[in-house]
Amino acid sequence: GAVVSQHPSRVICKSGTSVKIECRSLDFQATTMFWYRQFPKQSLMLMATSNEGSKATYEQGVEKDKFLINHASLTLSTLTVTSAHPEDSSFYICSARETGGGPEETQYFGPGTRLLVL
Amino acid sequence: AQSVTQLDSQVPVFEEAPVELRCNYSSSVSVYLFWYVQYPNQGLQLLLKYLSGSTLVKGINGFEAEFNKSQTSFHLRKPSVHISDTAEYFCAVTSSGGYNKLIFGAGTRLAVHP
Repeated sequence: GAVVSQHPSRVICKSGTSVKIECRSLDFQATTMFWYRQFPKQSLMLMATSNEGSKATYEQGVEKDKFLINHASLTLSTLTVTSAHPEDSSFYICSARETGGGPEETQYFGPGTRLLVL
Repeated sequence: AQSVTQLDSQVPVFEEAPVELRCNYSSSVSVYLFWYVQYPNQGLQLLLKYLSGSTLVKGINGFEAEFNKSQTSFHLRKPSVHISDTAEYFCAVTSSGGYNKLIFGAGTRLAVHP
């Protein structure tokens, strides 16, 4: 089956630093990847849709200058949390949809990255 | 706009008992419906999805769900649960056209007790 990886799985950083999270589709090409944020015991909130070779589409209320997304290839999207603060601490999950797939196609989810900002 | 309501935040059940996790959706257009499972500190895994055709959908791990258009529901069922089914379950909806992002429900915590 389709596999999506995320790196790192867990990161602790100091307030004010930047953190980069990678999302890779391992055995398929993904024109579209999605970044979600999940607070404890809550559902997933879509932050942005990442499109290979073009600018990401951010959801309302998500600061694009704070959460930088780059989708440089068909198998890799990165999320950089710039100048992280404790309120950015959360579980970040990415997903990928196979190239050419429409909304009916399954989104394959990565295992998530736990970010803790001190 | 679309929305998903999972009616139960927690469902406790004994091992080998049947279970139903409820999901209702709201949409003005045709939808695709999904159930995902999340084990602790992990990403989401697809259980099953409804696209069209037969309203009874069978998924992995013995789960099934039934699409009911008149009641706008997509309840998830399993006839006999195992301890290993303890997890968070999310119902999600997307539309067949336009900006088709997945909208998730709040989740239902299934706790299977021995």
